[in-house]
Order: sequence, then structure tokens, then C-alpha cells
Amino acid sequence: GAGVSQSPSNKVTEKGKDVELRCDPISGHTALYWYRQSLGQGLEFLIYFQGNSAPDKSGLPSDRFSAERTGGSVSTLTIQRTQQEDSAVYLCASSPDPTDTQYFGPGTRLTVL
Amino acid sequence: QKEVEQNSGPLSVPEGAIASLNCTYSDRVSQSFFWYRQYSGKSPELIMSIYSNGDKEDGRFTAQLNKASQYVSLLIRDSQPSDSATYLCAVNQRGGSNYKLTFGKGTLLTVNP
Repeated sequence: GAGVSQSPSNKVTEKGKDVELRCDPISGHTALYWYRQSLGQGLEFLIYFQGNSAPDKSGLPSDRFSAERTGGSVSTLTIQRTQQEDSAVYLCASSPDPTDTQYFGPGTRLTVL
Repeated sequence: QKEVEQNSGPLSVPEGAIASLNCTYSDRVSQSFFWYRQYSGKSPELIMSIYSNGDKEDGRFTAQLNKASQYVSLLIRDSQPSDSATYLCAVNQRGGSNYKLTFGKGTLLTVNP
């Protein structure tokens, strides 16, 4: 079946602009996750959704970051007033339940000029 | 800070040899452990999951888990040049209602023809 999809695959933006990244999880997966991978760095957890609810938003790097999930499916990660340090690959993953394997999408490469 | 540590590498082995990748974790209550493979410029791809102490084999790959020692390993038998990638150890951690994967920094494996 279809895997996790993300759009756009690449996004170049100017410092100070807002960006919206989209994730479409595997059908039926109730758990959805966002991670970030900066150049040469490890994978950094951002946020977890069970259904439409995110129980803990403390992994988001700053208050410029927000995320939502609607209909238990698609999720969007919004970064307001982008900064150069936000440049990274943003990865979305989904799993059937939160203790199970997470399957990753292809990622969105964000470049802030 | 709950950590996942991997042998830093890089690791270089000849084609046909066994590659051994190691990982330790600090969170004693973790129950789910994963090995992902990441090719340059791509997203992580699941290789193995392991939940119980002992060995789990899948083709040329064997994962080993020792919860008492907080140690996970991955053996790749008959290594092929196509196995050349970064291998990420990941531990599923729960904090309250939040679930996330905590990743090691990865071990870069090169298999030389």
C-alpha cells in the first residue's frame, strides 16, 4: 500500500516568511510524529499525535513552531517567521500504535535564505 | 536526558564480511528497539525491530537485545556494497502520554568490493 507522503519535497524561503509542511500518514495509522534532521546532526523529535491530539508540545524548538492534525489523518507543521537555523530536513512518520514501528516519509528539505 | 549511544564509526568492512553495529541506551523502561538504515539524502528505512531479549534474525540481519545490559546490536552477514549506509539505532521512549523515538547519532558503514 501507499507509504507516508510529505509535501513539498523541497522548500526554499526567505528569512521571516512563514512555511507550512504537510504529512499524509499511512491509512489507518493513528500515531503520527514529526522529526527534524539538521545537516550532520541526528534526528530530533518534535511532536507526537495520537489521533488529532498532541499530548505534549515541549519538543517543538520554539513558539514559532506549531502543528495540527485533522480527521485523524493529514498533519501540518507550520513555522512562522523562519530563521536560518530552521534549515533542515523535516521528517514525518506514522505507526499503527505508539509502541509499534514508525514508518518515515521522504521528508521536506527546508532551506531558509 | 535519556540517551542512545552508538559506536561512532565509520566502520569499513570488505564485501562478504560480518559488520557489527552496537548501541546502548539509558532508559531502563524502554520496550521497543529499532534499527533503521539511511542512505545519503534519503529518509530512514526500517531494517529490524526487536522487543524481547535474545536474537532476532531476518535474512542476513540479526538483531540482539539485552535489556539487563541496556544493549542492542545489529549483525549484517555477507555484507554487500549496497549495505553501505548510515545505521541508526532507535529506542521508543514514553514520557507521560508522549511517545517518541530517540535516535543514536548513527554509524556510517562502508562495504568495500
